[in-house]
Amino acid sequence: QQPVQSPQAVILREGEDAVINCSSSKALYSVHWYRQKHGEAPVFLMILLKGGEQKGHEKISASFNEKKQQSSLYLTASQLSYSGTYFCGTENTYKLSFGAGTTVTVRA
Amino acid sequence: DTAVSQTPKYLVTQMGNDKSIKCEQNLGHDTMYWYKQDSKKFLKIMFSYNNKELIINETVPNRFSPKSPDKAHLNLHINSLELGDSAVYFCASSLGRQETQYFGPGTRLLVL
Repeated sequence: QQPVQSPQAVILREGEDAVINCSSSKALYSVHWYRQKHGEAPVFLMILLKGGEQKGHEKISASFNEKKQQSSLYLTASQLSYSGTYFCGTENTYKLSFGAGTTVTVRA
Repeated sequence: DTAVSQTPKYLVTQMGNDKSIKCEQNLGHDTMYWYKQDSKKFLKIMFSYNNKELIINETVPNRFSPKSPDKAHLNLHINSLELGDSAVYFCASSLGRQETQYFGPGTRLLVL
């Protein structure tokens, strides 16, 4: 069963922050975050393997609340290069199910 | 060097035809996948192979048949193509079943 992502889309000005949420109705073993630019393949951002884990890469970070079966991706001080569709993938019994995606548009 | 490659990049064909998409990875990974991404960008897993053995087979029509001749290759054959098969098909690979997945560039299939 696929996770639910919110919001569906967000428009930001350079330097603004955004949060993308991902929730599942099933127990999660790990959460994966990917970004896909138009016409390209999804690219790995980070993976969170256990509850309470937080990770970050430059100004993009994520948290994983195992009990709530949720993960959030934080875009801080957004840059033009952050534009794209962000997917969370929730892993349960070795299968990765992706959410419908959140389209992020960062404008100058 | 390309990590995960797919051929062809574009495929335009008529309804009823049979076509194949090839995927190769040079990362030494054990697990390979096929995903379908439809026009709404929804990314859905179709198959997963681990060391040439099928481990995930989602609800996919029998017209789709994956084949893994070795760990580095996972091909997808589609029989009797239908209009609804039009989508982008991504191959991916990972070191193990719970590891980061690396995606190929995708094959854009258009069935007319």
